[in-house]
Formats: sequence, structure tokens, C-alpha cells
Amino acid sequence: NAGVTQTPKFRILKIGQSMTLQCTQDMNHNYMYWYRQDPGMGLKLIYYSVGAGITDKGEVPNGYNVSRSTTEDFPLRLELAAPSQTSVYFCASSRGDTQYFGPGTRLTVL
Amino acid sequence: ELKVEQNPLFLSMQEGKNYTIYCNYSTTSDRLYWYRQDPGKSLESLFVLLSNGAVKQEGRLMASLDTKARLSTLHITAAVHDLSATYFCAVNNNAGNNRKLIWGLGTSLAVNP
Repeated sequence: NAGVTQTPKFRILKIGQSMTLQCTQDMNHNYMYWYRQDPGMGLKLIYYSVGAGITDKGEVPNGYNVSRSTTEDFPLRLELAAPSQTSVYFCASSRGDTQYFGPGTRLTVL
Repeated sequence: ELKVEQNPLFLSMQEGKNYTIYCNYSTTSDRLYWYRQDPGKSLESLFVLLSNGAVKQEGRLMASLDTKARLSTLHITAAVHDLSATYFCAVNNNAGNNRKLIWGLGTSLAVNP
């Protein structure tokens, strides 16, 4: 089992560019999540999904979009990148109470 | 609105000493989680506490939950350097089964020889 994998590990974007952060899990978990972690801060939930075809907003969804066409994949789309989106992004999945996290994507917007 | 507060935010302690990290939350919740994050790494689940009075132990770490006081503690016994990390608590917002967690800011722990 690879668990939760994320690509890319690092990315630098220019203001106004767009990109997709990829997240895949091989544990057949129904629940998947996207978080952002700013320096010295806890995690903020961006979007989550309770199963294929079902997504919902978290605390900080503005500037992001998600889709969930399969159980395994939960990509996060950034449109019109802004410096405020500079952060570390974590994807996670769960079936029961424990969330399993991916290694993270460090994104810088300049 | 559910808020989660941890204290202290920074903790420097000597090996062999004991200490407690506190996690307070503002509204009723049915689940509390503790996670560990090593510098530059991902998060790893430590404990899930599901009921009032729940106590869980793993090695030198013990977590407890008092739902009436809306307080969880993470007690460190005879600290060792390997425990140096940031510890987060998170609370379910109790809105059904959607598992939306609200996170504390984390306690950065440094264990020194």
C-alpha cells in the first residue's frame, strides 16, 4: 500500500497562473480532504469529499475547486494563483476516525 | 463557532522530565484527535478519544479527554529527544458524520539532552 500520494512535492507559480495538485489514495477510503497549513499554524480545511461525485466546502474554499470522479483521486485546482495561496497543502483520506495524510505539496506564489 | 486552543505553543524541556500539553475547545464535540508532525513532514495520528473520561497511552505519551470541561491533555512521561515534534489536537465539529475537523495551532516540543 502506498497510502496517500501527492504530486508535485514542490511548485512555484506566478500570480495569475493556475495548476492542479494531485492526490491519490489506494486504501479504498470514502472520505478525502484537502487542507492548507500556513507557517506556524494549524490546518485549515479547504474542501472535502464523502465519496465519488460528492464534494463540499470546508473553512477556506475561496480560490480553489475540487472534483471526485473516482474513489481514488481527489485533485485540487487553483485558478488565478495569488500570493495568499502560498502554503503547504496536505491531502488526507479516512474511512473511520483516523485521517491518513499525504506527504504534502509546498506551493509558492510569486 | 468551534474554536480549539492549545497551550503552550512552544515547549522546551529536558530529557527525563514530565510535562502536559493542554487542548481546550469551545463547543460540544464527540471526538478529539491528537496528531504528531515532524519538521517538514506529514502528520501522523497518535490518538482518537471518543468519550468522556477516555484515556489512551502509547509509550511515553498519554492522552485523556474531559468532555464536560471541554479539555484534553497530552502527558509526556520521561521525555526523550525522539519526542521532539509539533503536536496538534483537532476536534470534530459534531455536524454529523462528515469528519470536518477544527485544528489547534500546535505545540512545538523540543526535548533537550
